[in-house]
Amino acid sequence: DIVMTQSPDSLAVSLGERATVNCKSSQSVLDSSNNKNYLAWYQQKPGQPPKLLIYWASTRESGVPDRFSGSGSGTDFTLTISSLQAEDVAVYFCQQYYGIPYTFGQGTKLEIK
Amino acid sequence: EVQLVESGGGLVQPGGSLRLSCAASGFTFSSYWMSWVRQAPGKGLEWVANIKHDGSEKYYVDSVKGRFTISRDNAKNSLYLQMNNLRAEDTAVYYCARVPPSRGWNPYFDCWGQGTLVTVSS
Repeated sequence: DIVMTQSPDSLAVSLGERATVNCKSSQSVLDSSNNKNYLAWYQQKPGQPPKLLIYWASTRESGVPDRFSGSGSGTDFTLTISSLQAEDVAVYFCQQYYGIPYTFGQGTKLEIK
Repeated sequence: EVQLVESGGGLVQPGGSLRLSCAASGFTFSSYWMSWVRQAPGKGLEWVANIKHDGSEKYYVDSVKGRFTISRDNAKNSLYLQMNNLRAEDTAVYYCARVPPSRGWNPYFDCWGQGTLVTVSS
């Protein structure tokens, strides 16, 4: 199984500041045949289901604010929120969809400092 | 508007069975792969099972193989998860999730239901 490890487990960022969440996979999720990274990011607010933010490591889902961006390749990935808003308080998960079983990171809890 | 509404959760004893349902609306259900994803209380997410749009292919996480069965009824726009021989570690919120077109074999999930809680306890 591909193990997804996020860091940090939690972080507190001031409003308007940059927030960065990291995700590392135990093996590469890059498909060299199409040069795509099989990595998605989700946001989960309390009491709600997850919401898709990013897929293919850096493609923003329709309707997601452009302050959210994804980067990285191979085994190391980053979700960046360029200017933290109050409504961004949530737990963020990465997910690999390269191989079965499709696995998620343990989550990173983002709070306001 | 795309909607996924789960039902069927509840309290069940270890070794018992439960059948979850997911009613889909707002999209052409028969054209999409669908999945179940679960989340133990206060924990992370775990993909459970996938089913092809026509039901001809199904995939499971190892921990539920032989105990859980995913199925669908496209005429009723419904997805199901039959769970047998339930264990305490199956306690979780179970989400029905849609897979974007052409992503069946390598799915991420673009729409999620609100989830239904399954508690396995004596």
